[in-house]
Amino acid sequence: KQEVTQIPAALSVPEGENLVLNCSFTDSAIYNLQWFRQDPGKGLTSLLLIQSSQREQTSGRLNASLDKSSGRSTLYIAASQPGDSATYLCAVGGTSYGKLTFGQGTILTVHP
Amino acid sequence: GAVVSQHPSWVICKSGTSVKIECRSLDFQATTMFWYRQFPKQSLMLMATSNEGSKATYEQGVEKDKFLINHASLTLSTLTVTSAHPEDSSFYICSAKHTGQGTRQPQHFGDGTRLSIL
Repeated sequence: KQEVTQIPAALSVPEGENLVLNCSFTDSAIYNLQWFRQDPGKGLTSLLLIQSSQREQTSGRLNASLDKSSGRSTLYIAASQPGDSATYLCAVGGTSYGKLTFGQGTILTVHP
Repeated sequence: GAVVSQHPSWVICKSGTSVKIECRSLDFQATTMFWYRQFPKQSLMLMATSNEGSKATYEQGVEKDKFLINHASLTLSTLTVTSAHPEDSSFYICSAKHTGQGTRQPQHFGDGTRLSIL
């Protein structure tokens, strides 16, 4: 059974800092890995999708890496802003039809 | 971009009531939709996979008679919580995947439904 762990559980940083969120998974037989953002009381917004054959994906100030063999992914956020404050979820796609297993999330607070 | 609409966004009702939640893909077809449940300060737990034109596949421990899923068209899946009780209070979120896109496209999520049973 796939298990996904995210570290740290919570992170508070001053505006402008670069930061790294970590995600690890126990079964390396994955199809893809997806990073999401969730604002309080809201649904999920997809940030980045990395296929199992890829090493990284970038979108703006976000960069996600994937090391499938070691079961790890990182989400790098450059020059953090207060608007980045949210819960960040990592999800592993373990089947071709799209079933996702989620981590517990990292609650990020960026203070001015 | 792909949009998934979930309705209603918030429901408060009495114990014993049945509640229906709709999940629609607005600008794409979705053969497969997923229903998740999220408790406060916890992550999403998959409840079931909804397949257009066939029976849903439920995760272990999820009561299929309690949580009825219908996926009658390529753009609509519904989750009905039957005879809801306070322990069913939770945040329910659906997601949809483009038909035929395999794993190369991200899943798109609705904004969730907060269900409160009194």
